[in-house]
Amino acid sequence: QVQLVQSGAEVKKPGASVKVSCKASGYTFTSNDINWVRQATGQGLEWMGWMNPNSGNTGYAQKFQGRVTMTKNTSISTAYMELSSLTSEDTAVYYCARGWQWLTYWYFDLWGRGTLVSVSS
Amino acid sequence: DIQMTQSPSSLSASVGDRVIITCRASQTINSYLNWYQQKPGKAPQLLIYAASSLQSGVPSRFSGSGSGTDFTLTINSLQPDDFATYFCQQSYSIPYTFGQGTELEIK
Repeated sequence: QVQLVQSGAEVKKPGASVKVSCKASGYTFTSNDINWVRQATGQGLEWMGWMNPNSGNTGYAQKFQGRVTMTKNTSISTAYMELSSLTSEDTAVYYCARGWQWLTYWYFDLWGRGTLVSVSS
Repeated sequence: DIQMTQSPSSLSASVGDRVIITCRASQTINSYLNWYQQKPGKAPQLLIYAASSLQSGVPSRFSGSGSGTDFTLTINSLQPDDFATYFCQQSYSIPYTFGQGTELEIK
């Protein structure tokens, strides 16, 4: 079954870091970028960045530059997103999503179920 | 960053209705526009890519149109399963920004 399985909910204190995992199955992990998108409760979707699982190349939204790191472990088909210096503003559901390219068009055709990260003192 | 603005923010409709949701980009994005549906507590699901291409498995009552800066998502003959929140997203340039969402409610 083609799917992305994410790690479980996290509770962190302000200033801490969180690392969320996203395990791919049912397709070749290195064939597609993995993107990370977050959503605060009742809010819209915010794209954080992408990672190419083959090369390890990454691209981050400027808002998260210096605070986010996206990595991978190809041997277990898993992508990771680590966010540091957490504040309450980072409380959100974090999604990983597979990027798919058709001609020159990009879209996210497969999503994980999301990981709730709560930041509270 | 490219700003994406959806209208309306919320919409009430009945089963069987036809609804149109619009999305406007702050600059031209050609046809680099995707639409997603999200239900409460669930991840978004892709409906339309490249402005007008229907994702595999998505019912044909969903359609998309537009290019440049103005786009529409049309849902013909609303079904109970269609009541959800809809987001547009541009993939013309990074960061890949989303609209704020349109909540479609049952009248």
